[in-house]
Amino acid sequence: DGGITQSPKYLFRKEGQNVTLSCEQNLNHDAMYWYRQDPGQGLRLIYYSQIVNDFQKGDIAEGYSVSREKKESFPLTVTSAQKNPTAFYLCASTPFTGNANYGYTFGSGTRLTVV
Amino acid sequence: AQSVAQPEDQVNVAEGNPLTVKCTYSVSGNPYLFWYVQYPNRGLQFLLKYITGDNLVKGSYGFEAEFNKSQTSFHLKKPSALVSDSALYFCAVRDIGSSGSARQLTFGSGTQLTVLP
Repeated sequence: DGGITQSPKYLFRKEGQNVTLSCEQNLNHDAMYWYRQDPGQGLRLIYYSQIVNDFQKGDIAEGYSVSREKKESFPLTVTSAQKNPTAFYLCASTPFTGNANYGYTFGSGTRLTVV
Repeated sequence: AQSVAQPEDQVNVAEGNPLTVKCTYSVSGNPYLFWYVQYPNRGLQFLLKYITGDNLVKGSYGFEAEFNKSQTSFHLKKPSALVSDSALYFCAVRDIGSSGSARQLTFGSGTQLTVLP
C-alpha cells in the first residue's frame, strides 16, 4: 500500500542532543512537508521541499534542519538549538504542486519528548 | 494571501443529533477546500474536498460539507453524530498563486468535536 511512514512513533531526547525524525513516502509525490503540533493546537509549518535537493523554511524553522537527497525521503533533525522541542511532529506529502486539486497525505506522526 | 478560520475551539453534541463544524476562508482566487480529521496520536486523515461543481460535497464516514461562496464558508456537517466521531477536525484551503502554481495548504486552528453518549 502506498503511504507515508514516520519513525519512530515515540522519541525521547536528552537536553543538548540532536535527534532525527524519519519520513519516507512511496507515493511518488514531489512535495513534502514537516509540521509541528502542540497539545490542543493547530499545525505549524517547519520546513517544506518541492523538489529533490531543495527545501524552504516554514514559519518556525529555527532549531530544525532538513535534507532532501531522495524524492521519497525528507528527514527532520531537531537540534539542540530548539529550546522547546517536546511536540507531535507530522510529515506530509502532495503530488505536483501545480495542481491545487490535491490535498496532503499525512504520516502517523512522531511524538518527541525531552527528558 | 489565503487564510482559514475555525471560530469554535470546541463543539459538543449529543449522539444521534446533527453536527456542524464551522469554517470560513479567504483567498484571492477560486478556493480549493478540504476537511481533515485527527484522532489522538494519529496523523490527519482526509475527509472530503471541494474543487468545483455541486456546493454539497459528500465524504467519508457520512460527513458532508456545504460550500457557500457568498458567505465564504465551508461548514462540515453530519446528520446523526456518533460517539466515534469525537476527534479534532481541521479545515484547509489552497488556491492558485500568481505564478500559476498551487499555493501550500493553509490549515485552520482545529475544532475539537465531542459527541456525548
